[in-house]
Amino acid sequence: NAGVTQTPKFQVLKTGQSMTLQCAQDMNHEYMSWYRQDPGMGLRLIHYSVGAGITDQGEVPNGYNVSRSTTEDFPLRLLSAAPSQTSVYFCASSYSLPGPYEQYFGPGTRLTVT
Amino acid sequence: KQEVTQIPAALSVPEGENLVLNCSFTDSAIYNLQWFRQDPGKGLTSLLLIQSSQREQTSGRLNASLDKSSGRSTLYIAASQPGDSATYLCAVMKTGANNLFFGTGTRLTVIP
Repeated sequence: NAGVTQTPKFQVLKTGQSMTLQCAQDMNHEYMSWYRQDPGMGLRLIHYSVGAGITDQGEVPNGYNVSRSTTEDFPLRLLSAAPSQTSVYFCASSYSLPGPYEQYFGPGTRLTVT
Repeated sequence: KQEVTQIPAALSVPEGENLVLNCSFTDSAIYNLQWFRQDPGKGLTSLLLIQSSQREQTSGRLNASLDKSSGRSTLYIAASQPGDSATYLCAVMKTGANNLFFGTGTRLTVIP
């Protein structure tokens, strides 16, 4: 199993550009989520999904869009990049409740917006 | 809103020492608590998962405890090694949802 994979590993964007961060898992997990990690703030939840066709907002959803058309994939779209979105982005997956189940994280995407 | 705190933010110990990392949370209505390890520039690796009904979990040299009533968890590392150097994160999952609330982590350095 590859686990949770993310692409790209690094990305530099100019303000106003859009892009999609890719996330895929091969463990047949229903639950997938996106977090951002900023210095001194810990990881914060952006969006999550409990299954194909179902998504919901987390703590910091503004400026991001998600969709879940398959169980395996959960892409994160930045609609119009801003310097405040400079961060490290992590995708995670697990089986859904009832659990409890461990959550597995991808290696991250380091994004810089200039 | 669930607040998760980890103190200290950084810790240096000599090799071979036993150590304890602390995690506290404000809302005791948690479903489980998970400890992670993060190496510089890398993703998160799950170390231990404690269900809310459990008091502790063990894996090798690691032992994690949970006291819901006081809103605390500790991660005990026995006989520390330089390879244990990393940032340790705790995260709580609230009852009824898969979402995790993270602390800001403790950066551990084990000196050879």
